[in-house]
Amino acid sequence: DAGVTQSPTHLIKTRGQQVTLRCSPKSGHDTVSWYQQALGQGPQFIFQYYEEEERQRGNFPDRFSGHQFPNYSSELNVNALLLGDSALYLCASSARGTAQETQYFGPGTRLLVL
Amino acid sequence: AQSVAQPEDQVNVAEGNPLTVKCTYSVSGNPYLFWYVQYPNRGLQFLLKYITGDNLVKGSYGFEAEFNKSQTSFHLKKPSALVSDSALYFCAVRDPGNRDDKIIFGKGTRLHILP
Repeated sequence: DAGVTQSPTHLIKTRGQQVTLRCSPKSGHDTVSWYQQALGQGPQFIFQYYEEEERQRGNFPDRFSGHQFPNYSSELNVNALLLGDSALYLCASSARGTAQETQYFGPGTRLLVL
Repeated sequence: AQSVAQPEDQVNVAEGNPLTVKCTYSVSGNPYLFWYVQYPNRGLQFLLKYITGDNLVKGSYGFEAEFNKSQTSFHLKKPSALVSDSALYFCAVRDPGNRDDKIIFGKGTRLHILP
């Protein structure tokens, strides 16, 4: 049973560019959440997708957008990259409708913006 | 709005001694509480959670946590630390009764187990 997978593992971009990160949820999970973890900080919630729609959103600008596909996989897109977007981006999946909805995390994508 | 605090940036414990990593929370309703561990260059691994019921929750790798509603705390504990427990630990809270329901993480506590 594969856990949550993310690609790529590392990425280097320059300011102003656009980036797309990908996530495949754990088998049996239908909900995907994205987090940004800056160096030395805890994960910050970006948004959550369920049934191919954004359900909740954290305090991130519209430059951050996403998508969920019918197979429950998801993409995170960031436009007009800033130096401050350098971080570890984590994807977490869960099964909506279960009481606990424990989130299971992927290994992350480390993004460096130069 | 819900929040979670981990008052210690770092905790040092000798191998074999008991360890405690502290966490306090603030929510308007009844919380769901979680502990995760992060090893270098890795994602977060789920350790344990409190949803309801027994205040003492047992999780992976011999860890446990005690929910204390009056003190709004959810401290992580282990009776005997191992060097391999050295990692970054995150406490997280959800307020499922809140319309703006999302998981909020603390800043993390770095645990050093000294051989």
